[in-house]
Amino acid sequence: TQLLEQSPQFLSIQEGENLTVYCNSSSVFSSLQWYRQEPGEGPVLLVTVVTGGEVKKLKRLTFQFGDARKDSSLHITAAQPGDTGLYLCAGEQVSNFNKFYFGSGTKLNVKP
Amino acid sequence: SQTIHQWPATLVQPVGSPLSLECTVEGTSNPNLYWYRQAAGRGLQLLFYSVGIGQISSEVPQNLSASRPQDRQFILSSKKLLLSDSGFYLCAWSQGVEQFFGPGTRLTVL
Repeated sequence: TQLLEQSPQFLSIQEGENLTVYCNSSSVFSSLQWYRQEPGEGPVLLVTVVTGGEVKKLKRLTFQFGDARKDSSLHITAAQPGDTGLYLCAGEQVSNFNKFYFGSGTKLNVKP
Repeated sequence: SQTIHQWPATLVQPVGSPLSLECTVEGTSNPNLYWYRQAAGRGLQLLFYSVGIGQISSEVPQNLSASRPQDRQFILSSKKLLLSDSGFYLCAWSQGVEQFFGPGTRLTVL
């Protein structure tokens, strides 16, 4: 079983639509990261959240860390074709410092 | 600034052959280092991590091993490759709550 569950697994939307990706767990994390990955490349870090209830914005992307630090969401406003890619969440457990556990990923396709 | 290198970028190997993938980090000292494997379009599976020279933690029993002969060098090895070892191998470094990834190695075992 996966420590972090991401949903949905696949998302295909039209340019201009909004979307939300979820990352859920029954475990508590000291920090949680979101990455975007292009085919054949390594993941690129988008944001890190560390405080329960924290909200961070990166242009059209909004990231939220759950109050209990067990879940997170990524919301994209007015998606563009350049947002296409694999979105991954990763958490560092409170009890396992220095180890990062990844979700299964959400494959986003934004059609022009 | 810090950079992370992996080589080779792609590799095709026969079943039963040995493997050595290398990862080096520049611009930082005493980083935590990680090896992950990724199935196509999916999440990352942690294979090994290291908090210092000669200190290796293995996450899953497998046909692979890792070594850290120098502070900023991390090597993934196998004595005899299996078909199931095929995948995209990623090296990463961290010094806190964030990880930074290399470009990856695509390994195909035939």
